[in-house]
Amino acid sequence: GENVEQHPSTLSVQEGDSAVIKCTYSDSASNYFPWYKQELGKRPQLIIDIRSNVGEKKDQRIAVTLNKTAKHFSLHITETQPEDSAVYFCAASIKAAGNKLTFGGGTRVLVKP
Amino acid sequence: DVKVTQSSRYLVKRTGEKVFLECVQDMDHENMFWYRQDPGLGLRLIYFSYDVKMKEKGDIPEGYSVSREKKERFSLILESASTNQTSMYLCASSRPRTGGSSYNEQFFGPGTRLTVL
Repeated sequence: GENVEQHPSTLSVQEGDSAVIKCTYSDSASNYFPWYKQELGKRPQLIIDIRSNVGEKKDQRIAVTLNKTAKHFSLHITETQPEDSAVYFCAASIKAAGNKLTFGGGTRVLVKP
Repeated sequence: DVKVTQSSRYLVKRTGEKVFLECVQDMDHENMFWYRQDPGLGLRLIYFSYDVKMKEKGDIPEGYSVSREKKERFSLILESASTNQTSMYLCASSRPRTGGSSYNEQFFGPGTRLTVL
C-alpha cells in the first residue's frame, strides 16, 4: 500500500519567517495530495490540496509544490503568524482507492512571536 | 456547514470491556471513515464505509469492527479493549468521488480520547 513520510516532525520559526514541510510518497499511482491543519484541541481541517496534473498551487500565504518524478511534495508558509502554529498533516490518495487517504506522521509548527 | 459529531470527547474503559464509539454526520455524505491518531504516526485509517451496510478494512483494522446501519451514523467497536488501543479516535465523512479526477474534502469530528486501563 501507499506510504507517506513527512519531515520535519517539529518546526520552530520566528514570526514573519517562512516554514517548509516536506513529504514523500511511495506509490506512483497517487494523484491527489491534500494538506490538513490541526490546531491544538481542534479537528483537522483541509487548507490546500494539489492534483498530480499540477506542479504548484498557491493560496495567499500558503503554497504547495509537487514533484511527481521524485515523488515528493511540499507545503510552504510565508510570513508566518502565531495563528499558523498547529500540527500539519500531508496525505496522498490513489485514484483507484476512491476517497481513501494515507497520511504522513504530522509536523508540529511553532511560530514564535 | 458540515457537522460531524462524536458521542464522547473523553472515555475511560477497562481492559476487556466492549467499547462503542459513535459518529454522526448531518450532510448526507456517503463516505465515512474511522482513524486513530497517535503522536508521530499521523492519522491511521482503521475502517471506512462507502455506503450503508458496507465496510472496508483500512490499514490497521485488527482489534476493531464497525457498523453502518444508517447513512448518517458510523460506529467503531472495540470487541475487547486493550491498553494498546489507548488513543485519539477521529471520525470523518466526505462525498464520494464523482469522476476520474474529482476528490472531496474529508470533514472530521472533534475526536474521542479513549483511555484503556
